[in-house]
Amino acid sequence: DGGITQSPKYLFRKEGQNVTLSCEQNLNHDAMYWYRQDPGQGLRLIYYSQIVNDFQKGDIAEGYSVSREKKESFPLTVTSAQKNPTAFYLCASSILPATSGPNEQFFGPGTRLTVL
Amino acid sequence: KNEVEQSPQNLTAQEGEFITINCSYSVGISALHWLQQHPGGGIVSLFMLSSGKKKHGRLIATINIQEKHSSLHITASHPRDSAVYICAVRGNYGGSQGNLIFGKGTKLSVKP
Repeated sequence: DGGITQSPKYLFRKEGQNVTLSCEQNLNHDAMYWYRQDPGQGLRLIYYSQIVNDFQKGDIAEGYSVSREKKESFPLTVTSAQKNPTAFYLCASSILPATSGPNEQFFGPGTRLTVL
Repeated sequence: KNEVEQSPQNLTAQEGEFITINCSYSVGISALHWLQQHPGGGIVSLFMLSSGKKKHGRLIATINIQEKHSSLHITASHPRDSAVYICAVRGNYGGSQGNLIFGKGTKLSVKP
């Protein structure tokens, strides 16, 4: 089945540690996105990638890093510089980059990160 | 002020009721999305529309570009419709042209 997978579903880390969240898609989509969701807030864009080996900062990129070495993979690293890392993280993909025109985004199941 | 505002924030309905969730936005857009987020957190895209009206089963989405307003209607609501409904718009301006701007969501609870 085609789709987006994120692992793990729940992740616990100690303060000061870097942690990498996995996102894989087998939809052959060009574009991938990382969002953060906090209680009572709308989703906020962290990073996005329109094509392999290219990515751009979103609205809240500070304290995060990404890579896009393969079309199907877009891992997100939450670094120790991120002041409030505890949140729900959602990965998404779309067949075309957002700048190419309106197209649907498909979302993964999310990873809930708790930093102790 | 948020660029995308949804109302109400919370909504409780009895099974069978007709439900309306509203979304207003203040920016120029090229498309508006309605999304459904279940308690487990996963998000499903319901509609993407740029004009008029779309219908899928018991769900209907409308948009009025001039008034910068969209509504999501659920007919004959059912407890399985309980979820958070999120409105998101695709901006057509600025450096992040094309990226989605999300509302905070409307939490719907349908009681049997």
